[in-house]
Amino acid sequence: DAKTTQPPSMDCAEGRAANLPCNHSTISGNEYVYWYRQIHSQGPQYIIHGLKNNETNEMASLIITEDRKSSTLILPHATLRDTAVYYCIVRSLNNAGNMLTFGGGTRLMVKP
Amino acid sequence: NAGVTQTPKFQVLKTGQSMTLQCAQDMNHEYMSWYRQDPGMGLRLIHYSVGAGITDQGEVPNGYNVSRSTTEDFPLRLLSAAPSQTSVYFCASRRTEGNTEAFFGQGTRLTVV
Repeated sequence: DAKTTQPPSMDCAEGRAANLPCNHSTISGNEYVYWYRQIHSQGPQYIIHGLKNNETNEMASLIITEDRKSSTLILPHATLRDTAVYYCIVRSLNNAGNMLTFGGGTRLMVKP
Repeated sequence: NAGVTQTPKFQVLKTGQSMTLQCAQDMNHEYMSWYRQDPGMGLRLIHYSVGAGITDQGEVPNGYNVSRSTTEDFPLRLLSAAPSQTSVYFCASRRTEGNTEAFFGQGTRLTVV
């Protein structure tokens, strides 16, 4: 699976949009981009995933660049409860058994 | 559905002791896996299973054994605990088909003294 690069930490004001970047310049054509988050040592929680089209669900939006070398997770109206470590993971559908490879993630601090 | 359930939540072991961390899921997921997370770091894969009777090693398998006799359960055994195995352990499961999300348990915090 392709490696990802994320900033180690970011701050965001409560109520504002949080934009979390991820670089995955070695991504290949059959690899999806996944986002998970981990709130204060709880088990990781799935947020969203995509292949090449932008995706949106009730939690977030995922914007993938046209060349697929980078993506941005957008939390449209961040709340204090969104303070967490956010992991960007690239995974191939062919990688059937090896579920997920976690990097260091981005620690998002939402401030009042 | 309870999702993925891990027991115990906390455990303290002495060096050399053995124990089993339990993981159960009620979603009929074929894939199950164990990760460990050391302070300030991401999760690392220990072992995984693609179905009952099938297991394989992940990134950091040494010192751990697994078995998968049923779809629901995937226990992780520490044969002879070492201080280096002090960590938080997470179990995860997901379906086989498609591009599906993984569900994680709430973790077992293990301290080996």
